[in-house]
Amino acid sequence: RKEVEQDPGPFNVPEGATVAFNCTYSNSASQSFFWYRQDCRKEPKLLMSVYSSGNEDGRFTAQLNRASQYISLLIRDSKLSDSATYLCVVNMRHTGFQKLVFGTGTRLLVSP
Amino acid sequence: DAGITQSPRYKITETGRQVTLMCHQTWSHSYMFWYRQDLGHGLRLIYYSAAADITDKGEVPDGYVVSRSKTENFPLTLESATRSQTSVYFCASSEQGRTYEQYFGPGTRLTVT
Repeated sequence: RKEVEQDPGPFNVPEGATVAFNCTYSNSASQSFFWYRQDCRKEPKLLMSVYSSGNEDGRFTAQLNRASQYISLLIRDSKLSDSATYLCVVNMRHTGFQKLVFGTGTRLLVSP
Repeated sequence: DAGITQSPRYKITETGRQVTLMCHQTWSHSYMFWYRQDLGHGLRLIYYSAAADITDKGEVPDGYVVSRSKTENFPLTLESATRSQTSVYFCASSEQGRTYEQYFGPGTRLTVT
């Protein structure tokens, strides 16, 4: 079983739509959680952290459910520029540092 | 402000050849990382370095060698390239204590024929 699992998509949505992605992780010792964004053929970039209390940044809301071991990302009022692959990332201790474990990503396509 | 750069951006090599991928960062970050990204696998950690002259294996280190004689440089060498090493390679760096926030280079697309 993969340590971090995501639906690969693609999710095709019109501009202005609300879309949500989920991600599950297998290691209950995972310490912190993040969403990274990766544009086509580009490098990943940190989008936002995920806290147990929820975290909102403009149109983006991230939530964590430790009991069920899943993480979600909600995007409201989708823009064309939101088209990208969203990587769910889990932070785990690895011989003295916090190792990032990346999911394979969920692809979002926002159309006019 | 160059940030983190990788070279070459594209490389085609033959099976059995030695290849070195370069990574350079201008932030003086303590930590540097090498990942490979393949379809269906996501990003996988090859090697990382906590400081100059301190390196350690990640998830998929076999067939790779790293060194870090200077804080700003972290080259990755494929000693004898194999077709299974065809991939996109990303270098990243982060501050000590904030290794969850990694800054990635633009990537090197390597094809081994």
